[in-house]
Amino acid sequence: DAGVIQSPRHEVTEMGQEVTLRCKPISGHDYLFWYRQTMMRGLELLIYFNNNVPIDDSGMPEDRFSAKMPNASFSTLKIQPSEPRDSAVYFCASSLSGRPNTEAFFGQGTRLTVV
Amino acid sequence: DQQVKQNSPSLSVQEGRISILNCDYTNSMFDYFLWYKKYPAEGPTFLISISSIKDKNEDGRFTVFLNKSAKHLSLHIVPSQPGDSAVYFCAARRINSGYALNFGKGTSLLVTP
Repeated sequence: DAGVIQSPRHEVTEMGQEVTLRCKPISGHDYLFWYRQTMMRGLELLIYFNNNVPIDDSGMPEDRFSAKMPNASFSTLKIQPSEPRDSAVYFCASSLSGRPNTEAFFGQGTRLTVV
Repeated sequence: DQQVKQNSPSLSVQEGRISILNCDYTNSMFDYFLWYKKYPAEGPTFLISISSIKDKNEDGRFTVFLNKSAKHLSLHIVPSQPGDSAVYFCAARRINSGYALNFGKGTSLLVTP
């Protein structure tokens, strides 16, 4: 398996623009997570899905952030409008329930810079 | 509110010696703990985990110890190798919260030759 695939790897955008980050989880995994990494807050959970249904979005910072999972193999995280403080590395991860070890597998991340 | 805390941002150890990375947590509902390793420009990768019903788990050079009464866990790497230089994240999962993980801010380990 190719692992969790995120695109783009890097995104530079101007303040006020819409940004869409994409994620393809590992095939067969039923959980998908979006995390954000910053120096100040470390790795923080934004939202997660189980079987394509959003379960907990309490980590989404503002209404400017939204996430969707239209099918088991694709998810998006959208920021609109973007602001400089959204600059961070965004990670997508997936995991499979029912296993003794419930570790999540991470993608390589999208480094977002909002100028 | 940081429920998982790694109070040492960085650690430097000589090759061959032991590296000890520490992690504290505040939520007594956490039932499963994991350590992830992260290299620059890559995503975190799973290293080792421990269930709350155990106090030790070992995998090769890596051992995780859990002290539930103190809400503390530690990762021991023996012997340390230069390739172990990375950022190490401690993570915890809460009972009945699905499989979402709470992460600490990470500790950057540098193993010098």
